[in-house]
Amino acid sequence: DQQVKQNSPSLSVQEGRISILNCDYTNSMFDYFLWYKKYPAEGPTFLISISSIKDKNEDGRFTVFLNKSAKHLSLHIVPSQPGDSAVYFCAASAATGTASKLTFGTGTRLQVTL
Amino acid sequence: NAGVTQTPKFRILKIGQSMTLQCTQDMNHNYMYWYRQDPGMGLKLIYYSVGAGITDKGEVPNGYNVSRSTTEDFPLRLELAAPSQTSVYFCASRRTGRFGTEAFFGQGTRLTVV
Repeated sequence: DQQVKQNSPSLSVQEGRISILNCDYTNSMFDYFLWYKKYPAEGPTFLISISSIKDKNEDGRFTVFLNKSAKHLSLHIVPSQPGDSAVYFCAASAATGTASKLTFGTGTRLQVTL
Repeated sequence: NAGVTQTPKFRILKIGQSMTLQCTQDMNHNYMYWYRQDPGMGLKLIYYSVGAGITDKGEVPNGYNVSRSTTEDFPLRLELAAPSQTSVYFCASRRTGRFGTEAFFGQGTRLTVV
C-alpha cells in the first residue's frame, strides 16, 4: 500500500531548463509535504516543504506546488544545474494519528546534463 | 554541529549474527526514526520514537528491535541477521511530529548479510 507515489523513476533535463518532479498521494489525512534530495552515499537532506493550507511555496530556484483535490504535488527546479543531479524523495505526514511519521515515495533520479 | 551520527558506516554480517546500529543526535529532538532503503525503493519506516522511553513500530519492524533510554540515542538491534535485511539504514530526528519541521538524516549504514 504505497501511500506516496513517485511514478517516474528517472528524469533527464538539460542544464538551464526546468525540471519538474511529480508526486501523488492517496491518504487524504496528509497535510504536510516535504521534498528531500539525496546524493549517493549520503543521507537525504531537506529541500523544501509545503503545508496543505497553501498551494505554492518558493525557495530560490525551487518551487513546490500542491493540488489537494488531485492529491498531487510537484517540485519545479528553475534553472536546473548539474549539481541538482540527485535522487529526489517526496514525503508526507498527517496532522493526527500518525502525526509523528513521515511516509516517503520511491524517489526520482534527476540527471541534469550539460 | 554534528547533527545525526550513525555508526558504523559499513558492515558485513553472516546469517544469524546480531549487531546494533548506533544513532546519536545532538539537536535535542524528541522524535527519532529508523528507515531502510532497498535498491530502487523508497524509505521504509522500521521503528520510531516520540521521546525517551517511548517507541513504536513502523511499516517493516520484523527482525528488529529498538530502545530509547535517552533523548540523544536510538540504537537499532538486529538479533538474527537474514539476507533480506541487506539494505542501507538511515536514522533521522525531528524536533516535533507536527507539520512545520523537517527530519534530519544521518549518513546511513550500509549492511550486507551473507
